[in-house]
Amino acid sequence: EVQLVESGGGLVQPGGSLRLSCVVSGFTFSDYWMHWVRQTPGKGLVWVSRMNSDGSSTNYADSVRGRFTISRDNAKNTLYLQMNSLRADDTALYYCARRGAGGYFDLWGRGTLVTVSS
Amino acid sequence: EIVLTQSPGTLSLSPGERATLSCRASQSVGSSGLAWYQQKPGQPPRLLIYDASSRATGIPDRFSGSGSGTDFTLTIIRLEPEDFAVYYCQQYATSSWTFGQGTKVEVK
Repeated sequence: EVQLVESGGGLVQPGGSLRLSCVVSGFTFSDYWMHWVRQTPGKGLVWVSRMNSDGSSTNYADSVRGRFTISRDNAKNTLYLQMNSLRADDTALYYCARRGAGGYFDLWGRGTLVTVSS
Repeated sequence: EIVLTQSPGTLSLSPGERATLSCRASQSVGSSGLAWYQQKPGQPPRLLIYDASSRATGIPDRFSGSGSGTDFTLTIIRLEPEDFAVYYCQQYATSSWTFGQGTKVEVK
């Protein structure tokens, strides 16, 4: 079965850190660019970061650049998001998503919830 | 950053009716850099339409997309009970992917 499964979310204090993981199965992970997208009730869906298939290229949203780091381990079929200096406005449900052939997101995980609060 | 504005915010319709959802971009995304997603409560978004008008695998033909440049439309020709959900457009014409704020299609 083709699937993406996120983990690593939780409650963290402002200024803290978390590392999210996204384990994939059912397809050749190393063939695909991957993304992180977050969702809040107030701001909807917001793209966070992306990494190309071999890990040599990344992009970040302005709101997380310098605080978040995307990485991947193709041998472990896993995508990561290291989140440092977390702020209250980083509170969201974080999804990993697979980039389809044209740049759209053709497969999504179910998400992991990050709550930043004291 | 390309801003996507969806309208209306909420669409109240009955099963069997036609739904027309709009997505307007702040600058051109070309003829193919736009997708539509459906999201139901407690579920992740699901790809419906990519490249403005191509249906994703397994999507029924009652869903169709059209448009180019800055104006795009998602049409559901006959609403089925399972179609009541929130719909998002997304542009991938630039390396700063953005989404619209969503249109909720609710039962009238």
